This record gives sequence, C-alpha cells and structure tokens, in this order.
Amino acid sequence: EVQLVESGGNLVKPGGCLKLSCAASGFTVSSNYMSWVRQAPGKGLEWVAIIYNTGGKYYADSVKDRFTISRDNSENTLHLQMNSVRVEDTAIYYCARILVRGGGDWFDSWGQGTLVTVSS
Amino acid sequence: DVQMTQSPSSLSASVGDRVTITCRASQSIDSHLNWYQQKPGKAPNLLIYETSTLQSGVPSRFSGSGSGTTFTLTISSLRPEDSATYYCQQSSVKRTFGQGTKLETK
Repeated sequence: EVQLVESGGNLVKPGGCLKLSCAASGFTVSSNYMSWVRQAPGKGLEWVAIIYNTGGKYYADSVKDRFTISRDNSENTLHLQMNSVRVEDTAIYYCARILVRGGGDWFDSWGQGTLVTVSS
Repeated sequence: DVQMTQSPSSLSASVGDRVTITCRASQSIDSHLNWYQQKPGKAPNLLIYETSTLQSGVPSRFSGSGSGTTFTLTISSLRPEDSATYYCQQSSVKRTFGQGTKLETK
C-alpha cells in the first residue's frame, strides 16, 4: 500500500528556514516523480515543486531560489528545504506521488499534509 | 506558465441534478488535464486523469471531456456526498491547478 507521511511543519519567523520531510512506503521515491503542493488557509491548491526520477527539478515562480526539493534514497524520503520564508508561505504542505503513463502524469497519492505557519 | 481558470467558482445544485464544471487553460495542454475532489480537512483525491479516464474506484457518474484549452467535469446525477471543492490541474508545462469550484448539494 502506498503511504506518504509528512512532518516538519512548525511556526517559523519571516526570513527563517524550515525543512519538511515526507516518508514514503509501498514504493520507491527515487523511481517516481514526486512533488510538493501547498494550500494556504481557506485557499486553493498551489503546486510548489517537482523532482523527476532523473533528478531534474522545477519550481513555482513564487518559491524559486528560496525552496529546494530533494530526496534521500536511503531513507526513501522526500524533502523540502524552505529558506527566506514569507508570511505568504503559510499553508498546509502536501507531498504527492506523480504517476506517469503514456505521456501524461497525475498526482495519484497524497500525504495528510503538514502545517507551516510563518509569523513574527 | 500555463494559467488554469475554472468556472463557476461555486455552485449549489440539487440531488439528482446534472452538474458541469469548466476549466480553461491559457494555452493548449493537449489532453494533459486532471481533476481532483477535496473535502474539508482532507487531502485532494484524484477523480479523472488525462481528461477523461476515471480513476479506479471513482463512481461512474463522474466524467470528463475536452481537449486543447477547454475541459469539463460532469457529474451526471448529483449525490449528497459529492459536496466538495473540485480542482483541475494541468501537467503539460510544469504543473498548475485551477482556483477550485466549491460544489454544494441543496
């Protein structure tokens, strides 16, 4: 059974940093596309970052040069390093596996989310 | 980047109604459009991928269609448990979600 469990969410001051983790089971993180998606309180879903099985990475413009997506193959875990955080980064952060088939891909499994609050 | 625009932003319909939600992309995304359902306090759940393929376990009253820049999610006969927020998402260029459509069942 595919399972994703996020951790690391916390209260952090503007300008500070935080590292989120997503422990995966039932599949191999490094063999899949993986992503972070966030949801500000009462708002919609916002895609944040993706890491391909090849190691390639892409980011939303809103987090580029501040956030870094990575993976630890030995721990089968996905990470999101958040630097220079802003109040507008306050959100529930979900990690998600992306299933790739026949030229298309979609978020087929999600974690339960971890809350990041940026406030002074 | 590709912008996704959903309409309406919210709607209220009666049990048994046929409901349609539209999603428009700012440029052609071929068939690379997915739909998710999210209930309060829960993670999103995949409904339909690649425009029209129903995810395993999703009721057949849900269907999707479209291509290029305009896509629709249809619920053929609304049930109370369909009350949720629905999001479209493109996978053609990076990834982008629509702003969501909140569906209420009267």
